[in-house]
Amino acid sequence: KQEVTQIPAALSVPEGENLVLNCSFTDSAIYNLQWFRQDPGKGLTSLLLIQSSQREQTSGRLNASLDKSSGRSTLYIAASQPGDSATYLCAVRLSMDSSYKLIFGSGTRLLVRP
Amino acid sequence: DVKVTQSSRYLVKRTGEKVFLECVQDMDHENMFWYRQDPGLGLRLIYFSYDVKMKEKGDIPEGYSVSREKKERFSLILESASTNQTSMYLCASSWGTFGSGANVLTFGAGSRLTVL
Repeated sequence: KQEVTQIPAALSVPEGENLVLNCSFTDSAIYNLQWFRQDPGKGLTSLLLIQSSQREQTSGRLNASLDKSSGRSTLYIAASQPGDSATYLCAVRLSMDSSYKLIFGSGTRLLVRP
Repeated sequence: DVKVTQSSRYLVKRTGEKVFLECVQDMDHENMFWYRQDPGLGLRLIYFSYDVKMKEKGDIPEGYSVSREKKERFSLILESASTNQTSMYLCASSWGTFGSGANVLTFGAGSRLTVL
């Protein structure tokens, strides 16, 4: 059974620091992996989606990488800002699952201090 | 932009009550989903639907049912609410079929349900 883990559960950094969030999954047979952002009391916003054939995706100050063989993905945030404070979740979709189900990690709660 | 609207942001119900959570999307998406989110457990899929009147069980369907009579609306029903159903409920939608954009989910703002 696929399990998705995000460590640490919480992270606090000073403004301007570059940081990396981690996501690991137990079954490398994934179709794609997606990173989401969730602000307190709100729904999720999709940030980046990496197909299984890709190694990384970039959007502005965000860069997500994927290493299927090791079952890991990282989300790199450059020059962090207080507005980046949120919970970040990763989710995987299995290759052989014909449904549209995503399996989520429990998230990393990020606080960027001014 | 795609908009997914959940009609109730906060609800307080009593044990045994029947609860309806409504979700409407305005971009003609084929797929709609109901998740619940609990601290330390992440998001867990309750039910999803890939077409009108079609539904599939997710990981935790027990105690829930769904209805999709129109393409834009997906309802989650708690037939007899229990305290362990206190949670944040998130609705999402996406377009396409397997192999296309089906994973680009758009989420609603969530409905926080408390069952006393």
